[in-house]
Amino acid sequence: AQTVTQSQPEMSVQEAETVTLSCTYDTSESDYYLFWYKQPPSRQMILVIRQEAYKQQNATENRFSVNFQKAAKSFSLKISDSQLGDAAMYFCATGTYKYIFGTGTRLKVLA
Amino acid sequence: DAGVTQSPTHLIKTRGQHVTLRCSPISGHKSVSWYQQVLGQGPQFIFQYYEKEERGRGNFPDRFSARQFPNYSSELNVNALLLGDSALYLCASSLDPFSDNEQFFGPGTRLTVL
Repeated sequence: AQTVTQSQPEMSVQEAETVTLSCTYDTSESDYYLFWYKQPPSRQMILVIRQEAYKQQNATENRFSVNFQKAAKSFSLKISDSQLGDAAMYFCATGTYKYIFGTGTRLKVLA
Repeated sequence: DAGVTQSPTHLIKTRGQHVTLRCSPISGHKSVSWYQQVLGQGPQFIFQYYEKEERGRGNFPDRFSARQFPNYSSELNVNALLLGDSALYLCASSLDPFSDNEQFFGPGTRLTVL
């Protein structure tokens, strides 16, 4: 069975600072994807960043980057230069055709 | 281009009733997945449909069913509603289940069962 664990229910970061959200996962799949989704209070889930497991290079998208440690089954999200608009629930997920989500981390950005 | 759309936005039902939720995928997307998100939890996979065929089912009772239409839109049906069915129901679409696997989510339908 696939599992995703997010051990930080809530995190806070000062505006313009850097924050890292943790995620560990377990899967029996040999080829899989890892995702970070953002869910603002308006509810719509938005893909932040995606990592293909067979790629060793860590994915980056502007201020968002991941630290993918395949052997440790760890997939953390780093947000640099945090902005007020980054405040949201962040979900880590893995899967191919069906996604398994973690329980989420609520990120608060302090002005 | 329009994103994934879902209707209705909110719904209130009583225990034992039946509900139908609707989803229209992004134009060109042929795969639709349904997820249940209970308050304070991450989404849980319910179904995936591709080309009108069920390709995957999560750990949900038979009270939950779905179908996909020739235009790739989809319905999720829940019979004999229980209080525990209260949740945000999310629909996600993708080109197909085989390619780049990026799923695009709709805004969800908030179901409240009283």
